[in-house]
Amino acid sequence: DSGVTQTPKHLITATGQRVTLRCSPRSGDLSVYWYQQSLDQGLQFLIQYYNGEERAKGNILERFSAQQFPDLHSELNLSSLELGDSALYFCASSVAGTGNTEAFFGQGTRLTVV
Amino acid sequence: QQQVKQSPQSLIVQKGGISIINCAYENTAFDYFPWYQQFPGKGPALLIAIRPDVSEKKEGRFTISFNKSAKQFSLHIMDSQPGDSATYFCAGDSGGGADGLTFGKGTHLIIQP
Repeated sequence: DSGVTQTPKHLITATGQRVTLRCSPRSGDLSVYWYQQSLDQGLQFLIQYYNGEERAKGNILERFSAQQFPDLHSELNLSSLELGDSALYFCASSVAGTGNTEAFFGQGTRLTVV
Repeated sequence: QQQVKQSPQSLIVQKGGISIINCAYENTAFDYFPWYQQFPGKGPALLIAIRPDVSEKKEGRFTISFNKSAKQFSLHIMDSQPGDSATYFCAGDSGGGADGLTFGKGTHLIIQP
């Protein structure tokens, strides 16, 4: 168990809908990262928050947004969903705001858009 | 994002053999190179990592070899065991963390008993 909790584990929704994925980082970790894993694109970095502030942005679509709350949990919001958004979404946390530190991954949320 | 190219895509090794997975990177700003192991239904977990100031790092049966001039690094699993069967990802990260981890596409490793 990495100590990173993601909910829900599975999510099935229709095209055009909006969903929210939740992540609780390990105790003491200030950074939260979101990654998307799909068969064709592999693991892709989406966005990072550090202590409530956006720190880095990767290949995140404009339809997607995230935030980190004062208690350090984070939510990833996906809207106007398309079939191609079906993927595993991972949250990871680390103690620091920069690279070179171990990132601990949650078990992921499997999103299926039908 | 700069790419990290990983090969092979899949690998079958006999129990007790050596598993070798290779990666090449483009971004010279990378200064942290972790390897992650992922089992089905689980998130990736850090296996071993190296910084470019050393050419090799060994932890138990797992060794990273790093060639800075060639911008290549590899994972060697000695005495491979069926429990090592998993998907392995190499990655690169810059100290500023501006892009998160840049992952290779993964290697599906099967260790045959």
